[in-house]
Amino acid sequence: AQKITQTQPGMFVQEKEAVTLDCTYDTSDQSYGLFWYKQPSSGEMIFLIYQGSYDEQNATEGRYSLNFQKARKSANLVISASQLGDSAMYFCAMREGQRSGDKLTFGTGTRLAVRP
Amino acid sequence: EAGVAQSPRYKIIEKRQSVAFWCNPISGHATLYWYQQILGQGPKLLIQFQNNGVVDDSQLPKDRFSAERLKGVDSTLKIQPAKLEDSAVYLCASSVNRGETDTQYFGPGTRLTVL
Repeated sequence: AQKITQTQPGMFVQEKEAVTLDCTYDTSDQSYGLFWYKQPSSGEMIFLIYQGSYDEQNATEGRYSLNFQKARKSANLVISASQLGDSAMYFCAMREGQRSGDKLTFGTGTRLAVRP
Repeated sequence: EAGVAQSPRYKIIEKRQSVAFWCNPISGHATLYWYQQILGQGPKLLIQFQNNGVVDDSQLPKDRFSAERLKGVDSTLKIQPAKLEDSAVYLCASSVNRGETDTQYFGPGTRLTVL
């Protein structure tokens, strides 16, 4: 079974609107971390936001927020007030275990295109 | 603070040739990772170093891939001989490895094309 599932291969959003990128995960660990990365056409993976499995509040970083629903095993990324520069690939990733050196498992990504 | 540096950015070789990639992590980052990202997929971990020791190389095709991090700083990933299916972006990442919220920071990657 896929550990990280991103079901939206591509998404469009109008500039200044909000968009939600879906991510579901599968783990039997009680302690894990969820990450979102942005990958522009230049290729570099840019860290956006982190959510720990024991965090009771949803993580937020500027225009990015993570809608964490533990019972449903989902960790959707919400981007508010989309900008043209948000056009990129977005990857959800999971780290199983508490150790910060544990490896990340990535989903297949969602390509977001922001329309002017 | 300088980010993760990688070189070369692009490389084109013919199958059965050898190739090497270099990575210099962020200063002070003890953990270094090499990922392979095939077109249309997410990155897949090839090997992870903690200082100069290997932590995880379970997905490294050891018959053709090798990696080293001799002084616990920069690292080299080598492929010998290359196959067509090795065409991918090779990403290097590093992390401080100090806490649960520790984040991996990625370099720009090396895009390898095997003809």
